[in-house]
Amino acid sequence: DGGITQSPKYLFRKEGQNVTLSCEQNLNHDAMYWYRQDPGQGLRLIYYSQIVNDFQKGDIAEGYSVSREKKESFPLTVTSAQKNPTAFYLCASSHSNQPQHFGDGTRLSIL
Amino acid sequence: GDSVTQMEGPVTLSEEAFLTINCTYTATGYPSLFWYVQYPGEGLQLLLKATKADDKGSNKGFEATYRKETTSFHLEKGSVQVSDSAVYFCALTPGSNYQLIWGAGTKLIIKP
Repeated sequence: DGGITQSPKYLFRKEGQNVTLSCEQNLNHDAMYWYRQDPGQGLRLIYYSQIVNDFQKGDIAEGYSVSREKKESFPLTVTSAQKNPTAFYLCASSHSNQPQHFGDGTRLSIL
Repeated sequence: GDSVTQMEGPVTLSEEAFLTINCTYTATGYPSLFWYVQYPGEGLQLLLKATKADDKGSNKGFEATYRKETTSFHLEKGSVQVSDSAVYFCALTPGSNYQLIWGAGTKLIIKP
């Protein structure tokens, strides 16, 4: 079945540590996105990529980094510069002007 | 800039009640409109969409009509079930790029 796979489902970060969240899609979508969701709130765009080897900052990119070396993969690194990383992270993908498809999310917590 | 405004939640209803969740938007051009649903602890699922004025999107008993004259896309269901309890997000895509503009979400609680 085609879809988006995010891993891990739960992730814990120590102070000063970088962590990387995985997102893989087999839908052959051009565009991929990372969102952050805080409890009881909507989605905020972190980064997005429309094609391989290119990506743009969203509304809250500070403290995060991404790469898009392959069409299928769009990993997100939460760096130590992100001082409040505890949140639910959602990855999505889409064709141009088509609805976005979402993964099941990764919940990041601080130890 | 483009924006989406949803009614604040939580919305609490009894089973079999009629549901309306209001969504209005501001946008230049001709956006496509979407409703997504998020069940507890999960990602978002596309519920329905409409791509032009007067289109009606429908799925799983939910409906929404793209009203350009009132810039609205209200979500309705005639008889809700406990299993409909979730957070519902209204969104638009301006049509000129890939991005979605999101509403804040409305939490729906259905009591038996």
